[in-house]
Amino acid sequence: QQQVKQSPQSLIVQKGGISIINCAYENTAFDYFPWYQQFPGKGPALLIAIRPDVSEKKEGRFTISFNKSAKQFSLHIMDSQPGDSATYFCAAYNQGGKLIFGQGTELSVKP
Amino acid sequence: KAGVTQTPRYLIKTRGQQVTLSCSPISGHRSVSWYQQTPGQGLQFLFEYFSETQRNKGNFPGRFSGRQFSNSRSEMNVSTLELGDSALYLCASSASFEKLFFGSGTQLSVL
Repeated sequence: QQQVKQSPQSLIVQKGGISIINCAYENTAFDYFPWYQQFPGKGPALLIAIRPDVSEKKEGRFTISFNKSAKQFSLHIMDSQPGDSATYFCAAYNQGGKLIFGQGTELSVKP
Repeated sequence: KAGVTQTPRYLIKTRGQQVTLSCSPISGHRSVSWYQQTPGQGLQFLFEYFSETQRNKGNFPGRFSGRQFSNSRSEMNVSTLELGDSALYLCASSASFEKLFFGSGTQLSVL
């Protein structure tokens, strides 16, 4: 119940395309869902986050879609750029104070 | 403002040895969390310290321990190292759970 399942494991997208990464969770106690971006040799950095009372949040080219009834959320990267090539982690925070991460998606944007 | 600093950057140890990793959080941040990152398991929560007290703990054996000092700096110790402990160990500091700031990690190799 503490797991967050993320797919796909890897993703190749052409420059200008849309990248979509999906996550699913089981524990309804999760109440905060961030996405982190990690470049090689660096630690993850917060990209965007959403709470379950909101169905969508957009920041620039990055959008989180949240489906509370299905217990799923996804990250959409519009107009994907080679600079977006990184590993993306979804995560969920529970009231017990733990941030649980998905397995990660390695995104490669081809020029 | 300086970021999260982790030392050392790389470490090579042999089975059975112990190791201590250090983390200096962002000034003013009182919470420090530790994560283990491996290709197969992703990011796994080890523990969190707040004002020198362990506030949360993940599902790791007792060989993994940590502490936090009065200046919020934190150390993580792994005793009786096993091959499977080879991983990138990430430290994150935060002023609130909503945004973690990660260091670049310590890459531990156990031979």
